[in-house]
Amino acid sequence: QVQLQQWGAGLLKPSETLSLTCAVYGGSFSGYYWSWIRQPPGKGLEWIGEITHTGSTNYSPSLKSRVAISVDTSKNHFSLKLNSVTAADTAVYYCARALLTEGSWGQGTLVTVSS
Amino acid sequence: SSELTQDPAVSVALGRTVWITCQGDSLRSYYPTWYQQKAGQAPVLVIFGQNHRPSGIPDRFSGSSSGNTASLTITGTQAEDEADYFCVSRDSSGDHVVFGGGTKLTVL
Repeated sequence: QVQLQQWGAGLLKPSETLSLTCAVYGGSFSGYYWSWIRQPPGKGLEWIGEITHTGSTNYSPSLKSRVAISVDTSKNHFSLKLNSVTAADTAVYYCARALLTEGSWGQGTLVTVSS
Repeated sequence: SSELTQDPAVSVALGRTVWITCQGDSLRSYYPTWYQQKAGQAPVLVIFGQNHRPSGIPDRFSGSSSGNTASLTITGTQAEDEADYFCVSRDSSGDHVVFGGGTKLTVL
């Protein structure tokens, strides 16, 4: 059974870059879409973007100018960077494998943006 | 359109059947996936594809879709089904993923 474990800084100042990593244990990287999703406190889920094992990416149009998702298959992990953060980026961030067909999720990381 | 629309809240009496709907143009091309999320927990996938349940999901959960509207049906609703439910699918372009706003299910 695949497990996703994520980590990264939980407190950022405005204009800084959010950086999160999701490690994959017990599963293959090939043949899946690897996604990042976020959920502001008390609100719904928002798709941030996805990447394949070959590095092909798709991003949310609303975040595309600030986001980058990368993959390192040698380390079995993929990463999210979101630059120029503001308070509106405060949310629980999740990584997931096969969001639409399997739904294996990380534990979530609360990222707070505050001066 | 890249939006999926859900009713914000639905209530159902214990043991009855409830339908949670999701509307959007992309549903004419893609089946939605349904997630259940309980407070403080990561979402759990309950239905994907035409009407597939992952292992461990009770068979009281089922999905259907017609035109631009999809439904998650819970038959014989249990108290533990009280949660937020989200639909999600690819948008009409196929290049992006979009979530519905979520439906808060209350079991009376």
